[in-house]
Amino acid sequence: EIVMTQSPATLSVSPGERATLSCRASHSVSSNLAWYQQQPGQAPRLLIYDASSRATDIPARFSGSGSGTEFTLTISSLQSEDFAVYYCQQYKSWPPAWTFGHGTKVEVK
Amino acid sequence: QVQLVESGGGVVRPGTSLRLSCAASGFTLSSYGMQWVRQSPGKGLEWVALLWSDGNTKFYADSTEGRFTISRDKSQNTLFLEITSLRAEDTAVYYCVRGVYYFDHWGQGTPVTVSS
Repeated sequence: EIVMTQSPATLSVSPGERATLSCRASHSVSSNLAWYQQQPGQAPRLLIYDASSRATDIPARFSGSGSGTEFTLTISSLQSEDFAVYYCQQYKSWPPAWTFGHGTKVEVK
Repeated sequence: QVQLVESGGGVVRPGTSLRLSCAASGFTLSSYGMQWVRQSPGKGLEWVALLWSDGNTKFYADSTEGRFTISRDKSQNTLFLEITSLRAEDTAVYYCVRGVYYFDHWGQGTPVTVSS
């Protein structure tokens, strides 16, 4: 199983500041990585796929980078609606055994 | 617009069975790979099962241990997940999701609580 490790567990950021979230895979996943945002009481929402491609209707302030085992999600200027939990997910393993990280909570500083 | 609506969750006894449904609208479910993902406080987000668009190719997480069956009904545009021999560790919110590799649409989830 490919284990996904996210850091930090909690990130305290002021509105308007940049947030940088990390995700590390225990084995290379190439660029087969997605990022999701989850608001309290809601289902996750796809933000980024293939490590750096923004999903439909996702604002340009969200960007993803990385390949292999190290990935980053950057939110360039935090808006109020961006305070949430963020998860990474790999889809490299075959046969399918997709795995998620445990999440990074972005909270108001 | 694309919508996924799950149903069938609830409070159930250990050892019993349950069938979850996911009604799709705004797209033809059989044209896409569809999956189930669950979320529990202890384990976080966990992939459960994948049904390929051909309707026959299926993959399951090791943790399902042969107790889960994913299927669909094309005429109803609906995805199903049958779970047998339910255990306390199956307690979670179960989400229906669209996509084979990453999940571009999620339902609102249906909660399952396994408790005596």
